[in-house]
Amino acid sequence: DGGITQSPKYLFRKEGQNVTLSCEQNLNHDAMYWYRQDPGQGLRLIYYSQIVNDFQKGDIAEGYSVSREKKESFPLTVTSAQKNPTAFYLCASSMRGLADTDTQYFGPGTRLTVL
Amino acid sequence: GIQVEQSPPDLILQEGANSTLRCNFSDSVNNLQWFHQNPWGQLINLFYIPSGTKQNGRLSATTVATERYSLLYISSSQTTDSGVYFCAAVSNTNAGKSTFGDGTTLTVKP
Repeated sequence: DGGITQSPKYLFRKEGQNVTLSCEQNLNHDAMYWYRQDPGQGLRLIYYSQIVNDFQKGDIAEGYSVSREKKESFPLTVTSAQKNPTAFYLCASSMRGLADTDTQYFGPGTRLTVL
Repeated sequence: GIQVEQSPPDLILQEGANSTLRCNFSDSVNNLQWFHQNPWGQLINLFYIPSGTKQNGRLSATTVATERYSLLYISSSQTTDSGVYFCAAVSNTNAGKSTFGDGTTLTVKP
């Protein structure tokens, strides 16, 4: 099946620990995105990548890092510098960048809880 | 950056009723999408509609780009329509970045 997978579905982390969230797509999409969603709010863009080996900060990049070494993978690391990391994290992809009249598709999300 | 505002924030309907959800945006857009988030958190694409009108079954959407708003119509609502509806816009001046509204939470009662 083609689609976007995220793992794990639930993740628990102790304060002070870094944690990496996985996002993989087999849609052959060039662009990938990471969003954060807090309860009762919309999605906020953390990082996005329009091509392999290149990525840009979104609106709330502080305390997060990403890599894009392969077209199909865009892992997100939540570092200990992120002050309030408990949230629902969603990964998305689009065939090209969103400026090219493109549609983004979402994975099922990872719920991160800091204990 | 572009501001995206959705209204109403909450909407409660009886099954079978019709509804209109609104999305206002503060800048010219070249990309606008509507999504439905189900109770498990999955976002489902409803429409890609930077301008014009589209229909898909009981759902339809209209974007008036010159007046900077989009409307999502749900007719003959069903309990399975419940969830949160988001619009997301990409500004002409900030290509590649999508900005989401805070959503409209729809509850359809049987």
